[in-house]
Amino acid sequence: DARVTQTPRHKVTEMGQEVTMRCQPILGHNTVFWYRQTMMQGLELLAYFRNRAPLDDSGMPKDRFSAEMPDATLATLKIQPSEPRDSAVYFCASGLVSLGGAGNQPQHFGDGTRLSIL
Amino acid sequence: RKEVEQDPGPFNVPEGATVAFNCTYSNSASQSFFWYRQDCRKEPKLLMSVYSSGNEDGRFTAQLNRASQYISLLIRDSKLSDSATYLCVVNTGRRALTFGSGTRLQVQP
Repeated sequence: DARVTQTPRHKVTEMGQEVTMRCQPILGHNTVFWYRQTMMQGLELLAYFRNRAPLDDSGMPKDRFSAEMPDATLATLKIQPSEPRDSAVYFCASGLVSLGGAGNQPQHFGDGTRLSIL
Repeated sequence: RKEVEQDPGPFNVPEGATVAFNCTYSNSASQSFFWYRQDCRKEPKLLMSVYSSGNEDGRFTAQLNRASQYISLLIRDSKLSDSATYLCVVNTGRRALTFGSGTRLQVQP
């Protein structure tokens, strides 16, 4: 089965450090999503791309977070500088979405990056 | 009001029981609906889509009530392996899918 691949699986670093998380979507999917999950907030959408173009990043703190999709096989989420409150599991998901809707097909999730900022 | 609301549970049921979860959504223009399952410390996985006429997949039945703006998931003959968090997911067409906070199910022997 095709899968979304995320790296690293785990990351522990000190506050102030730059963190880069990577995602390889399923081949042929045209939409990529970044989510953050914590016990308190549940699953939050940070940003999503369609055909590599950013469509919505309103859920993302702009001052320290950035999301890019340099090519169809790679999406990145960066935090600089990182803070302890960024500790969470970050999921990438990909899907195939028609022009008419933003999510009328189910999304497939990667295993997530478990991030701990000390 | 949250766009998608679920009872967090936990629902503690014995093996073999039938259990049902509801989920309400606020946007009447919502177009598509899903149930996802998430095991502890794992990624969410699609359980089933929810169709207007209702649909069934083995022991799982999903229903949509557009008039009252809710969807439901029924699990028959619960297994220990059904223990997980069940996420209600709604597409409003405006943004990407909106996830509920999840309902936790614990099936006990």
